[in-house]
Amino acid sequence: DSGVTQTPKHLITATGQRVTLRCSPRSGDLSVYWYQQSLDQGLQFLIQYYNGEERAKGNILERFSAQQFPDLHSELNLSSLELGDSALYFCASSVFRGSGELFFGEGSRLTVL
Amino acid sequence: AQRVTQPEKLLSVFKGAPVELKCNYSYSGSPELFWYVQYSRQRLQLLLRHISRESIKGFTADLNKGETSFHLKKPFAQEEDSAMYYCALSGQDNYGQNFVFGPGTRLSVLP
Repeated sequence: DSGVTQTPKHLITATGQRVTLRCSPRSGDLSVYWYQQSLDQGLQFLIQYYNGEERAKGNILERFSAQQFPDLHSELNLSSLELGDSALYFCASSVFRGSGELFFGEGSRLTVL
Repeated sequence: AQRVTQPEKLLSVFKGAPVELKCNYSYSGSPELFWYVQYSRQRLQLLLRHISRESIKGFTADLNKGETSFHLKKPFAQEEDSAMYYCALSGQDNYGQNFVFGPGTRLSVLP
């Protein structure tokens, strides 16, 4: 158990819908990262937050948004869903300052039908 | 700019054969390098990091600053090593620590 919790584990929805994925980082970790992993693809970095503020942005679509709340949990919002959005979405957390590893959650598997 | 490359998308070896997964990086400072492994669509988990200089599950990796490489090696591959392997770099910039992942190499160990 990495200490990073993601919900829901599985989600099936239809095109055009909106979903919210939730991530609770490890206790004490201030930085949260979101990654997308499509079938047989590598990790695509979406966005990173540090202590509530957006720190870095990757290949995140405009239909997607995220935020980190004062209690440090984060939510990734995916709207106007398309079939191609079906993927495994990982959240990871780290201490941020100093050196350290990245701890990953189990991921949320999104299926868009 | 920070960048991590893994030239092989797929690497297939037979059980008992040596395996080497290549990783090269570009970074202007002193990076920290990691190897992460992902089994059967599970979460990514840390395999090893260069500062610990330890062997995990028979795997080792040496940081070669001259060649800017951090190749992962195992002398005798096992079927249970079949997984996706990601090389990652952690560096520091004006905003603190950040992570960059390579595209990953899928290792398939054949019986």
